[in-house]
Amino acid sequence: ETGVTQTPRHLVMGMTNKKSLKCEQHLGHNAMYWYKQSAKKPLELMFVYNFKEQTENNSVPSRFSPECPNSSHLFLHLHTLQPEDSALYLCASSQDKSVWTEAFFGQGTRLTVV
Amino acid sequence: QKEVEQNSGPLSVPEGAIASLNCTYSDRGSQSFFWYRQYSGKSPELIMSIYSNGDKEDGRFTAQLNKASQYVSLLIRDSQPSDSATYLCAVRDYGQNFVFGPGTRLSVLP
Repeated sequence: ETGVTQTPRHLVMGMTNKKSLKCEQHLGHNAMYWYKQSAKKPLELMFVYNFKEQTENNSVPSRFSPECPNSSHLFLHLHTLQPEDSALYLCASSQDKSVWTEAFFGQGTRLTVV
Repeated sequence: QKEVEQNSGPLSVPEGAIASLNCTYSDRGSQSFFWYRQYSGKSPELIMSIYSNGDKEDGRFTAQLNKASQYVSLLIRDSQPSDSATYLCAVRDYGQNFVFGPGTRLSVLP
């Protein structure tokens, strides 16, 4: 248990559906991240929030929409996804964006787009 | 483009041996370095962080950093079958985000 909880753990959605991924951290951290992990590829950074402000949008398609209502919660809203969006979506948090802080990951959401 | 490189493996070692995992990075300004372990189907788990040149030991794990050579390694002593996983190297620069390598798959054979 890392103190970062993601729900749901598994999600199957059609290309016309709208769904949301949720991440909650109980570590008192101020920075939160969304990563995508596809088979045979390195972790891809999607979004970064620091003190609730988005500091990074790594050229992510608009069909992915993040939301960070407070420092403990992070959402990823999904709509009109494509089959190639099927992947493991990982949330992580760190104390802040200081170079000396460590990131801790949630269990991930395995997303399948059909 | 900042890059972190690792041999994809698989790296196979017999139980009880030392496993040596290597990582090189392109950004000379990188300041902090991390090793994560990821079991199949699971999320990455932080093993160690290292910030200064030299060795850092934690139990069976030793991280080694050489900034001049832009090289960081992880040694696992007395390898166990439960150490079989993919090991991710990550680096970070001031004001920057974590950059992850592709991972090295380690297989410890009983």
